[in-house]
Amino acid sequence: GAVVSQHPSWVICKSGTSVKIECRSLDFQATTMFWYRQFPKQSLMLMATSNEGSKATYEQGVEKDKFLINHASLTLSTLTVTSAHPEDSSFYICSARDLQGGGDEQYFGPGTRLTVT
Amino acid sequence: AQSVTQLDSQVPVFEEAPVELRCNYSSSVSVYLFWYVQYPNQGLQLLLKYLSGSTLVKGINGFEAEFNKSQTSFHLRKPSVHISDTAEYFCAVKGQAGTALIFGKGTTLSVSS
Repeated sequence: GAVVSQHPSWVICKSGTSVKIECRSLDFQATTMFWYRQFPKQSLMLMATSNEGSKATYEQGVEKDKFLINHASLTLSTLTVTSAHPEDSSFYICSARDLQGGGDEQYFGPGTRLTVT
Repeated sequence: AQSVTQLDSQVPVFEEAPVELRCNYSSSVSVYLFWYVQYPNQGLQLLLKYLSGSTLVKGINGFEAEFNKSQTSFHLRKPSVHISDTAEYFCAVKGQAGTALIFGKGTTLSVSS
């Protein structure tokens, strides 16, 4: 089955620094990837839709200058949390859209836990 | 716009008892409905999905769900739960093809012996 990976699986960084999270589709090409954020014991909130070769579409209330998304290839999207603060600590999950075989499936990565100290 | 409401935030049950996790959706267009499970500190695993056809959908780990258009519901059921079913369960909806999944707030299923 289709596999989506994320790297790193967890990261601790100091306040004010930037952190990059990678989302890769390992065995399929994904023109569209989605980034979600999950606070402890809460649901997944869609942050943005990432389309290969174009600018990401951000959900209302998500700061595009703080959460930089780049989707430079059909298998890789990156989320960079710039000037991270403790309130950015969260579980970030990506998903990739697989259109193989005429289908339209969304596969999720295992998530990246970010802790900002 | 689509939305999902999970009616129970926590559901405690005893092992081998049946369980139902409730999910209602709202949408002005045809929907695709999903149930995911999340174990602690892990990503999401797809349990089952409804795209079209039979309203009774069977998934992995003995779970099933029934799509009820008149009630706008997609409740998840299992006739006999195990300790290992303890996890967070999310109902999700997708309206148009290509759009992202929209998740409910989740239901914590706690199975005890």
